[in-house]
Amino acid sequence: QQPVQSPQAVILREGEDAVINCSSSKALYSVHWYRQKHGEAPVFLMILLKGGEQKGHEKISASFNEKKQQSSLYLTASQLSYSGTYFCGTEDGSSNTGKLIFGQGTTLQVKP
Amino acid sequence: DTGVSQNPRHKITKRGQNVTFRCDPISEHNRLYWYRQTLGQGPEFLTYFQNEAQLEKSRLLSDRFSAERPKGSFSTLEIQRTEQGDSAMYLCASGVMTNYGYTFGSGTRLTVV
Repeated sequence: QQPVQSPQAVILREGEDAVINCSSSKALYSVHWYRQKHGEAPVFLMILLKGGEQKGHEKISASFNEKKQQSSLYLTASQLSYSGTYFCGTEDGSSNTGKLIFGQGTTLQVKP
Repeated sequence: DTGVSQNPRHKITKRGQNVTFRCDPISEHNRLYWYRQTLGQGPEFLTYFQNEAQLEKSRLLSDRFSAERPKGSFSTLEIQRTEQGDSAMYLCASGVMTNYGYTFGSGTRLTVV
């Protein structure tokens, strides 16, 4: 089942912070976060694994609550370049394919 | 590392025609995925290859869709007898292991008229 992201959209001023949430109804093995700008490919930001391991960009932080099957992406001191649509992709670990089920996306607009 | 390359970038076709898209993954990546994305939605999984073996195919994928990855290198996705509902962005992604995330290509935008 598709994870649910919230909020659907957010508008920030430069320097402000934002939190994007991703919630699944299934037990998760990993959560991926990607950012996509209009007309471009999704770009990998971070992966959070069951057991606490994280891999990603230094300026991006996120959390993964395995029991609640939820993840949050924290964007601090936002810059204009942070604008885009953020997707979480979840892997339930039922197969070893690494197949991701993506949420519907959260559109972030950062204004000067 | 030249990234994941997809061709063509855009394809306009008439309903009922066949189309084929190509994906060249990062050379050392053994995992390759095809996703479809419609406007305002997240990517939707279509199929997965590990090396040359197609190990998973979405149940939502009709038999008009077929994909190959000969010799575990590039991959092709063919859609036969295209329908207007096939209009979408078709994305290819590659990776080494699930624990390191995936690299997406810029996609092929298909418009069926």
